[in-house]
Amino acid sequence: DAGVTQSPTHLIKTRGQQVTLRCSPKSGHDTVSWYQQALGQGPQFIFQYYEEEERQRGNFPDRFSGHQFPNYSSELNVNALLLGDSALYLCASSLARDIYQPQHFGDGTRLSIL
Amino acid sequence: AQRVTQPEKLLSVFKGAPVELKCNYSYSGSPELFWYVQYSRQRLQLLLRHISRESIKGFTADLNKGETSFHLKKPFAQEEDSAMYYCALSGLTGNQFYFGTGTSLTVIP
Repeated sequence: DAGVTQSPTHLIKTRGQQVTLRCSPKSGHDTVSWYQQALGQGPQFIFQYYEEEERQRGNFPDRFSGHQFPNYSSELNVNALLLGDSALYLCASSLARDIYQPQHFGDGTRLSIL
Repeated sequence: AQRVTQPEKLLSVFKGAPVELKCNYSYSGSPELFWYVQYSRQRLQLLLRHISRESIKGFTADLNKGETSFHLKKPFAQEEDSAMYYCALSGLTGNQFYFGTGTSLTVIP
């Protein structure tokens, strides 16, 4: 079991550009959550997808959007990139029927904005 | 507002000494509390969760609802315990997690 996989591992963009990050959940999992982790901080919840719908959203602007596909994989899109969007983006998967849904994390995508 | 506080960014203990990593939370409801750990060059992984009442790698954590705390403890620290530790909570539906800022534990040989 490969666990949660994310691509790419690193990405460099400039201000104003758009970026798409990808995530494949752990086998058997149906729910995907995205987190932003700035340097020296804990992961901050962006949103969660289940049954191809955004089920919950954290305190992030509309520039952050996502998608979940029928095979449960997910994308995170960020438009109009700002310098402050530089961070590690983590994807986590879980099983909706597991109470409290403990998160299984990927290695993350390191996004740098120049 | 839901919030998780880890007051210590850095913690150093000698091998064999007891260790306690502090976590306090605020949440309007009945949360589940977790400890996640990230070893060097590894991904963030679940260490233990309150509902399981488990002891993992010698670590235990007791939920104190009166003090709204979920401190992580181990009686005898080992060098391999050196890592970044995050306290986290979720609500019953599990559709939003809140993480603390983490405590970096160093066990000195």
